[in-house]
Amino acid sequence: NAGVTQTPKFQVLKTGQSMTLQCAQDMNHNSMYWYRQDPGMGLRLIYYSASEGTTDKGEVPNGYNVSRLNKREFSLRLESAAPSQTSVYFCASIRTGGYTGELFFGEGSRLTVL
Amino acid sequence: GEDVEQSLFLSVREGDSSVINCTYTDSSSTYLYWYKQEPGAGLQLLTYIFSNMDMKQDQRLTVLLNKKDKHLSLRIADTQTGDSAIYFCAESIDTNAGKSTFGDGTTLTVKP
Repeated sequence: NAGVTQTPKFQVLKTGQSMTLQCAQDMNHNSMYWYRQDPGMGLRLIYYSASEGTTDKGEVPNGYNVSRLNKREFSLRLESAAPSQTSVYFCASIRTGGYTGELFFGEGSRLTVL
Repeated sequence: GEDVEQSLFLSVREGDSSVINCTYTDSSSTYLYWYKQEPGAGLQLLTYIFSNMDMKQDQRLTVLLNKKDKHLSLRIADTQTGDSAIYFCAESIDTNAGKSTFGDGTTLTVKP
């Protein structure tokens, strides 16, 4: 059972470089999310996609873009990376309909921007 | 906006009970969650409680909710070294947990 798979697990960028974090889930979930986790802090929602073809801003969307490529895949793009975007990024998915309390998380992508 | 507060660290001896506390500010919180994060991994849902409940027990885990004081606690009985992790409290106002507000996490260290 793969669940939620994120790539890459680690990445070092220079300020101004761009990159895309990939996320895929094999649970047929409708909704997918991107969070960032900074040291000593909880998760903050960057963007989410309630269903294929839709995306919405979360709490901290500035500096990021997302694409819901299909039902399985939801990517996060940094167009011009900044040191403030150094963080651990988590993708998660959830089914919808009925009680939807269980988020399923990927293992995280650790990004360092120099 | 919503805020969720937790103490940052807790250290216990193996076999003791652990109690991790959380306070939240949003009185319209409907669902409250506890997640566990082990090193290098994503968060994993441990348990949840609806706001109309005051207690939920699940094997070694007991969740207590004081809605009046907006206080949530997670008790782990017979704590084991494998319970060492970061525990996050989270709340959401609707059934979609994806837009929850998360606390900063409590690092639980279990000493043998």
